[in-house]
Amino acid sequence: NAGVMQNPRHLVRRRGQEARLRCSPMKGHSHVYWYRQLPEEGLKFMVYLQKENIIDESGMPKERFSAEFPKEGPSILRIQQVVRGDSAAYFCASSHDSASNQPQHFGDGTRLSIL
Amino acid sequence: GNSVTQMEGPVTLSEEAFLTINCTYTATGYPSLFWYVQYPGEGLQLLLKATKADDKGSNKGFEATYRKETTSFHLEKGSVQVSDSAVYFCAYAGNNRKLIWGLGTSLAVNP
Repeated sequence: NAGVMQNPRHLVRRRGQEARLRCSPMKGHSHVYWYRQLPEEGLKFMVYLQKENIIDESGMPKERFSAEFPKEGPSILRIQQVVRGDSAAYFCASSHDSASNQPQHFGDGTRLSIL
Repeated sequence: GNSVTQMEGPVTLSEEAFLTINCTYTATGYPSLFWYVQYPGEGLQLLLKATKADDKGSNKGFEATYRKETTSFHLEKGSVQVSDSAVYFCAYAGNNRKLIWGLGTSLAVNP
């Protein structure tokens, strides 16, 4: 499968635990984007990364959330000390380059539930 | 500010009916425009796109035309099928290519 791979598909955490969401972009893609879809809401941009660099994190909450895209391995979205309000679907997308007319290709998402 | 406005759903149609889902945007310049579709329990799939004024994107019988003068990108299909039941999202590529999204329009097609 050459598409964007996200895992796990479903993740359950208790309040105060850490959540790690992984995203492997499409082969040959070096640009990764994370979006969050809250219940009954649309998608909101969180962060844009290019290998080893954070390009735009204007949508990331100031605390508890971090993202990385190391030289080797998948991109990781990390949420520390999770709270009920973090329950959402988190989608990762990748693109080949930064041209604005190039579409972003999405994974199936990780559905995070906080107990 | 930058935003995308879609018609509210849910939209319920009978099979073979004509579909229009309105989308207007507020943005500077002439961004690329996209329609994505989300089937139940799945991720987002690109349905079609248009990158400049008067471009028409089309795929699977769906069409949308980039209207600069009305800042609109309405989605249309002449004859919907039950398998088209999904949530449809209009979006444009803003600064740093981050996608700005509408809230989505849920479509249910009955046989």
